[in-house]
Amino acid sequence: EAGVTQFPSHSVIEKGQTVTLRCDPISGHDNLYWYRRVMGKEIKFLLHFVKESKQDESGMPNNRFLAERTGGTYSTLKVQPAELEDSGVYFCASSPGLAGADTQYFGPGTRLTVL
Amino acid sequence: AQSVAQPEDQVNVAEGNPLTVKCTYSVSGNPYLFWYVQYPNRGLQFLLKYITGDNLVKGSYGFEAEFNKSQTSFHLKKPSALVSDSALYFCAVRDKEGKAAGNKLTFGGGTRVLVKP
Repeated sequence: EAGVTQFPSHSVIEKGQTVTLRCDPISGHDNLYWYRRVMGKEIKFLLHFVKESKQDESGMPNNRFLAERTGGTYSTLKVQPAELEDSGVYFCASSPGLAGADTQYFGPGTRLTVL
Repeated sequence: AQSVAQPEDQVNVAEGNPLTVKCTYSVSGNPYLFWYVQYPNRGLQFLLKYITGDNLVKGSYGFEAEFNKSQTSFHLKKPSALVSDSALYFCAVRDKEGKAAGNKLTFGGGTRVLVKP
């Protein structure tokens, strides 16, 4: 069974540019999460999809971040325009159900560097 | 609100010695607790979780963790560390009854483990 995949693995952009990150969850997982780790700090929650619907977007830092999950399959996270403080590692995770005990399986992350 | 503390930024241990990585948590209700590991240039890998029942949880690669409700701790342990255990370890919590918290995990800051030969 394939795990969570993320693309690209690394992205280097200049301040003010746009970047789109992609996440493909484990097949059959309805729940998809985005997290990020900035400047070696804690991994922080960004948002949670159940199928194509946003269940919880309380962690989205501002309106420069836009997440979508068309058709309830893969998800994209767009940052527009990127700022220096957006640099960090963006992780995607998926889980099969809504039970709190369900394990969230993480992808390898996308390392974003904004210059 | 839920929170996690990993008080040690780094733990150094000699190969073959016991390894302990500390984690304490705070939730309004009862917790689900998780440990993840990140090897160099890799993503987060699930190690183990506590849901309910036996306080001693066994996971992957010989790791185990003990849930202590009175001390609100969930320390990760391995009886005999290997050089290959050198990695970044994250503790995470979710409140069982915290509907406002949703399904999101709250992570600690991570502990870097260095096992020396």
